[in-house]
Amino acid sequence: GENVEQHPSTLSVQEGDSAVIKCTYSDSASNYFPWYKQELGKRPQLIIDIRSNVGEKKDQRIAVTLNKTAKHFSLHITETQPEDSAVYFCAASIGGSTLGRLYFGRGTQLTVWP
Amino acid sequence: NAGVMQNPRHLVRRRGQEARLRCSPMKGHSHVYWYRQLPEEGLKFMVYLQKENIIDESGMPKERFSAEFPKEGPSILRIQQVVRGDSAAYFCASSPPSVSTEAFFGQGTRLTVV
Repeated sequence: GENVEQHPSTLSVQEGDSAVIKCTYSDSASNYFPWYKQELGKRPQLIIDIRSNVGEKKDQRIAVTLNKTAKHFSLHITETQPEDSAVYFCAASIGGSTLGRLYFGRGTQLTVWP
Repeated sequence: NAGVMQNPRHLVRRRGQEARLRCSPMKGHSHVYWYRQLPEEGLKFMVYLQKENIIDESGMPKERFSAEFPKEGPSILRIQQVVRGDSAAYFCASSPPSVSTEAFFGQGTRLTVV
């Protein structure tokens, strides 16, 4: 089955700096790559996703890049704010009707210091 | 349109008891996924169901665990004879039949086995 690796496991940045989280996947059939933000004790919430026909996607301060050849994708957060502090998970899926069948990375604890 | 509803939010069971976790998908959603999250780990897929059918249960332990999604009513994840290692957060996600829409997560049920 699919194997998703995520790095780093913890990331501390100063407010206003950028944060980058990287993930790799193993199954070339995967074509849907969402990123979730999870605050302590809460549900995972989708913040951005990318599909295999797109190399980069941006939504305000958040961007995701995808390299299908190398089987890796990254999350970029610019101008970080303290409220960005949370655990971030990458995931991969073969999409289609089984889009919710997700393989998750182990998560990155992001701390943004004011 | 209410989100994915899970209940109870917190459940305490003694070793050997049964735990029943409920998930009501969003209106119009016919696909339900169950995930387990151990402390400080990512979400692990357990089972994928559509109405009255188990589509993929490859992530669910063979013993003590079962899931159903009846024609009427919520999806149920049932854990028999719970052990301490079953203590975790259990999340349910739902998605519509459409192939292009994200899966939405519920708030989770935090099971504690004492």
